Amino acid sequence: GAVVSQHPSRVICKSGTSVKIECRSLDFQATTMFWYRQFPKKSLMLMATSNEGSKATYEQGVEKDKFLINHASLTLSTLTVTSAHPEDSSFYICSARVASNEQFFGPGTRLTVL
Amino acid sequence: GDSVTQMEGPVTLSEEAFLTINCTYTATGYPSLFWYVQYPGEGLQLLLKATKADDKGSNKGFEATYRKETTSFHLEKGSVQVSDSAVYFCALNLAAGNKLTFGGGTRVLVKP
Repeated sequence: GAVVSQHPSRVICKSGTSVKIECRSLDFQATTMFWYRQFPKKSLMLMATSNEGSKATYEQGVEKDKFLINHASLTLSTLTVTSAHPEDSSFYICSARVASNEQFFGPGTRLTVL
Repeated sequence: GDSVTQMEGPVTLSEEAFLTINCTYTATGYPSLFWYVQYPGEGLQLLLKATKADDKGSNKGFEATYRKETTSFHLEKGSVQVSDSAVYFCALNLAAGNKLTFGGGTRVLVKP
């Protein structure tokens, strides 16, 4: 099946710094990727839809200036958490959509902001 | 709007017990329905899916049938193993938007 990777798997940063998370489709091209946030023992919340070559579409309540998304190629989307604060600590998961419309998920990135 | 409701966990079972996780949905159209599984420390994996009414999805001994009349997609497994301990998410999407809407997740713990 299609494989999606995320890097890093874990990151710890200081409050006020920015963190970039990469999402790659390893064996297929994905024009659309999705970014989710998962709180402890909670469900996934869709943050934004990332489309290659165009601006991301953010869900209501998600700050686009805080969570910068770039989908520069058909195999890479990045999420940058700018000026991170402890409340941004979470598990961030990306997925990539294939031609059949199925989504394949990355393993997630655990962000801890001190 | 579209939504998915699934039973809250945790569900604790003994090995070889029967597992059922209830899932119901509301949707404006005719969604595709999914069950995803998340093992500890990992991302989500698609477990099974059904794209139209009366379809049955199955994988690894798990089954779920798309019931349009009751807007349900309950997950079942006849004999669970310790390795089935995970969080299970029910989800739907409508073909047009392709945005997945997830239920709250159900944590399952299988004890030897």
